[in-house]
Amino acid sequence: EAAVTQSPRNKVAVTGGKVTLSCNQTNNHNNMYWYRQDTGHGLRLIHYSYGAGSTEKGDIPDGYKASRPSQENFSLILELATPSQTSVYFCASGGGTGGYAEQFFGPGTRLTVL
Amino acid sequence: QQKVQQSPESLSVPEGGMASFNCTSSDRNFQYFWWYRQHSGEGPKALMSIFSDGDKKEGRFTAHLNKASLHVSLHIRDSQPSDSALYFCAAPYQGGRALIFGTGTTVSVSP
Repeated sequence: EAAVTQSPRNKVAVTGGKVTLSCNQTNNHNNMYWYRQDTGHGLRLIHYSYGAGSTEKGDIPDGYKASRPSQENFSLILELATPSQTSVYFCASGGGTGGYAEQFFGPGTRLTVL
Repeated sequence: QQKVQQSPESLSVPEGGMASFNCTSSDRNFQYFWWYRQHSGEGPKALMSIFSDGDKKEGRFTAHLNKASLHVSLHIRDSQPSDSALYFCAAPYQGGRALIFGTGTTVSVSP
């Protein structure tokens, strides 16, 4: 079974603070993704990567940065957190040609920005 | 504008019944679809993909695709309480490198 882990699982941050969400996968997948999930919006893609050193913008990249330092790790960075970024964040990994291959999701990180 | 739209938002079905829900795309480039399921407190998990017109069956789950109308549906036969979850339809985009998800259908199966 493919394994994607996320840390922390829960995070409370203050407005204007820096938040880093981490994701690790042991599947040796080239592709990794960051989504946020909000009621009424489903899953929305923030950033993705198709290999170490690469990052691409998804549909809602504003206010977020991403970093892929290695095949296994993909981080999402909120340099100046805002209350509108309160959400549940999911990381996923996938092989093959991106959207045509199954994506494996982590358990999620619940972020609250006060 | 949401490119992948799902309906209904939620539905209830008795145990042993049939659950059916739909997904429609507004983009004719979407010819390949996924169904994902998410149980409460967990990440989504892929159920199946479909890219040919007609039906694809996997156990109690059957997906149906009509490319001409950009419509895909999922049917759960003999629904079980463990099928209670949020179901997402998704399609490849960004040049096929990523997935765009619909807003989901919440299915509740009552014993």
